[in-house]
Amino acid sequence: DIQMTQSPSSLSASVGDRVTITCQASQDISNYLNWYQQKPGKAPKLLIYDASNLETGVPSRFSGSGSGTDFTFTISSLQPEDIATYYCQQYDNLPVTFGQGTRLEIK
Amino acid sequence: QVQLQESGPGLVKPSQTLSLTCTVSGGSISSGDYYWSWIRQPPGKGLEWIGYIYYSGSTYYNPSLKSRVTISVDTSKNQFSLKLSSVTAADTAVYYCARVRRVVTMVRGAFIKHDAFDIWGQGTMVTVSS
Repeated sequence: DIQMTQSPSSLSASVGDRVTITCQASQDISNYLNWYQQKPGKAPKLLIYDASNLETGVPSRFSGSGSGTDFTFTISSLQPEDIATYYCQQYDNLPVTFGQGTRLEIK
Repeated sequence: QVQLQESGPGLVKPSQTLSLTCTVSGGSISSGDYYWSWIRQPPGKGLEWIGYIYYSGSTYYNPSLKSRVTISVDTSKNQFSLKLSSVTAADTAVYYCARVRRVVTMVRGAFIKHDAFDIWGQGTMVTVSS
């Protein structure tokens, strides 16, 4: 199985801050990577697909980049409603696997 | 718009079979552009993919669960289902059904698939306990 490692595991930031989360794959997955946001008690929501494409309806402050084994997810200006846990997910090889999640809190 | 809704017992006894159904509304499960998936999340933990199914009945399972999992589809009811046998406390989790959006492109003569879990059900908590 391809292992996905996110860092940090948790993060505290202020409203308006630029926030960056990284995701590293245990082998080359090209750009076959998605990012999801999960708010407490809710289902995950697709934000970014194919490493850098913004899902329709998702605010432009969210972005993604990377290919191969190293990926980055960025929130350009943190908003209070962005408090959530964020997951990366690879689909290059089955089984599909997710990172362990990054919990984002407001400072 | 397409919506997914999980249903089934919230409590299952150890060694028994967990059975859940996902009802798709607002669209046809027989659309060839999508697969249909189950994903679970133990309390306070991350996401684990269980498997997915195409409307034709083709299935793909996580090897870690393959011996205990069956996913099936009923196109007449616009539903797909999950059965997980011989459950233990480790199977206690929120179970989500999700739609897999698949886009196929051709790059240098090769077909490349691009998948994403684009629509999710709200999830249903299943507890394994006697």
